[in-house]
Amino acid sequence: QVQLVQSGAEVKKPGASVKVSCKASGYTFTSYGISWVRQAPGQGLEWMGWISAYNGNTNYAQKLQGRVTMTTDTSTSTAYMELRSLRSDDTAVYYCAETLSSPLGWFDPWGQGTLVTVSS
Amino acid sequence: EIVMTQSPATLSVSPGERATLSCRASQSVSSNLAWYQQKPGQAPRLLIYGASTRATGIPARFSGSGSGTEFTLTISSLQSEDFAVYYCQQYNNWPSFGQGTKVEIK
Repeated sequence: QVQLVQSGAEVKKPGASVKVSCKASGYTFTSYGISWVRQAPGQGLEWMGWISAYNGNTNYAQKLQGRVTMTTDTSTSTAYMELRSLRSDDTAVYYCAETLSSPLGWFDPWGQGTLVTVSS
Repeated sequence: EIVMTQSPATLSVSPGERATLSCRASQSVSSNLAWYQQKPGQAPRLLIYGASTRATGIPARFSGSGSGTEFTLTISSLQSEDFAVYYCQQYNNWPSFGQGTKVEIK
């Protein structure tokens, strides 16, 4: 079955960077895209962006432009999300999710989530 | 940015009763609307896409309706495992989510 397994929890200081991985299995990785969604503690869901696993095309949420980079490694069916210049309000659970071959789609399935804590 | 507004924020329902959740878009999203269920400590799970198509493995008691700016998720007879937070999401433009409706036991 389709499964996305994310890397473990991270604790970072303000100004640092974090890179979260998302390993896919159970489907042809390059046939779909991967979206990233985050959820601050006790809050709702926020779309961060999308990457095509086929050609690496990306679309990022405007508020994160310049701080976020999404990449893929097709040899290992793994997607990565790097967020730089971390602030306390970046503390959240970060999810990857399989998406259609377009950023305009639904998300299914989701990874288990990665908690990123930004604290001095 | 398309703003999604869900109502009510909290819905208190007894097991076996019907639950009706609403989602409104700030502009038309056609039928490009999905619903998700999220339980504490878990990732969201896709329930509905295309406003009314149930995802694989989703029980028939979940149904979605609407188009344009007004959408509804109906749970026909609430089971104990259905108490959770529900989010709508539009994908007609860059994706955006509603703030969620918590369905709690009355």
